[in-house]
Amino acid sequence: RKEVEQDPGPFNVPEGATVAFNCTYSNSASQSFFWYRQDCRKEPKLLMSVYSSGNEDGRFTAQLNRASQYISLLIRDSKLSDSATYLCVVIMNSGGYQKVTFGIGTKLQVIP
Amino acid sequence: NAGVTQTPKFQVLKTGQSMTLQCAQDMNHNSMYWYRQDPGMGLRLIYYSASEGTTDKGEVPNGYNVSRLNKREFSLRLESAAPSQTSVYFCASSDWPGQYFGPGTRLTVT
Repeated sequence: RKEVEQDPGPFNVPEGATVAFNCTYSNSASQSFFWYRQDCRKEPKLLMSVYSSGNEDGRFTAQLNRASQYISLLIRDSKLSDSATYLCVVIMNSGGYQKVTFGIGTKLQVIP
Repeated sequence: NAGVTQTPKFQVLKTGQSMTLQCAQDMNHNSMYWYRQDPGMGLRLIYYSASEGTTDKGEVPNGYNVSRLNKREFSLRLESAAPSQTSVYFCASSDWPGQYFGPGTRLTVT
């Protein structure tokens, strides 16, 4: 089993739709979680941190479920500009060593 | 404030050639990272540096060396390039939360 798994998609959704992505992780000792956005042939950019209590930023909501070991990203009222690949990131700190694991990303295409 | 900068943006090497990828950040971050990104594989950590003067191996360090020259600069060296090192290389720096990435170097080894 991969350490971090994402459905690569693509998810094709109409403008205005709500879409949700999940990302599962295998190591229960993982401590920090993030969502990044990556546009085609560009660098990843931090979208938001993920907490058990949930984290909302405008149309974007991220959630962590430690019991089931997954994080989620919900996008409401999708815009054309939301079309991108969304990467989840899981970080574990152990004995001064930081292990950073990226998922392969989920591609979102918002259609007019 | 340029953030994270990388040079070069593109490079073509022949098998066996060497080169150094340069990375600099002006955000006064302690931690810096080198990743490679390949289709279907996601970003994989090559090396990272938690602070000036320290470096640690990541998931795929073989064939690479790094130097944390000072707090700003973290370079990645390929001593003898191989076709398997054809990839997009990203440098990142970190201050909580999250990492900030440079624009990437597209490297092709023929």
